[in-house]
Amino acid sequence: QVHLVQSGAEAKEPGASVKVSCKASGYTVSSYAMHWVRQAPGQRLEWMGWINAGNGNTKQSQKFQGRVTITRDTSASTDYMELSSLRSEDTAVYYCARAHASGSYLIDYWGQGTLVTVSS
Amino acid sequence: DIVMTQSPDSLAVSLGERATINCKSSQNVLYSSNNKNYLAWYQQKPGQPPQLLISWASTRESGVPDRFSGSGSGTDFTLTISSLQAEDVAVYYCQQYYTTPSFGQGTKLEIK
Repeated sequence: QVHLVQSGAEAKEPGASVKVSCKASGYTVSSYAMHWVRQAPGQRLEWMGWINAGNGNTKQSQKFQGRVTITRDTSASTDYMELSSLRSEDTAVYYCARAHASGSYLIDYWGQGTLVTVSS
Repeated sequence: DIVMTQSPDSLAVSLGERATINCKSSQNVLYSSNNKNYLAWYQQKPGQPPQLLISWASTRESGVPDRFSGSGSGTDFTLTISSLQAEDVAVYYCQQYYTTPSFGQGTKLEIK
């Protein structure tokens, strides 16, 4: 059974960085890509980027280019998403979400979400 | 980027009645080489992450009740709930995965 368990809620000041973890179980992590999607209050789901299976290549949405870093620790079955230079508009629930297949943009399983609040 | 637009934004339907949600993509999401539409539907209940209901525009995921069905091709798609149950109250999102993912704005489904 696939499970994605994310780290807990974070409160950050503007200009800081946040790193969210996503521990996977129930499947071979290195065989699947992982997407990161966020949902700001009252807003639609927004794709941030992903880390691909196998080679670990990453791709980010242009909107987050230069601010988001996605990494993977295969030995720990854990993926990470770090967002820097936080601003109030980054207040959102951040999800890790597994790709249906290697290289696929279809998402089949989601983590429980991590609330990140950015406020001075 | 492909923009996804859903209609309506909210919908109230009586228990046992049909609910229909529409989704339009700004570009074709039908891949000609395999004749597949790269379109998914998700259900999100309050405080929970989205759950995949339908992929490839019309393929129900395992465990999804058969009252949920998807249709459409190219740029226009529909999610239909044939007989609304109380547990179907949620926000529904369409998503294209033809290119980097993008989602509709969501449709909030309530009981009338």
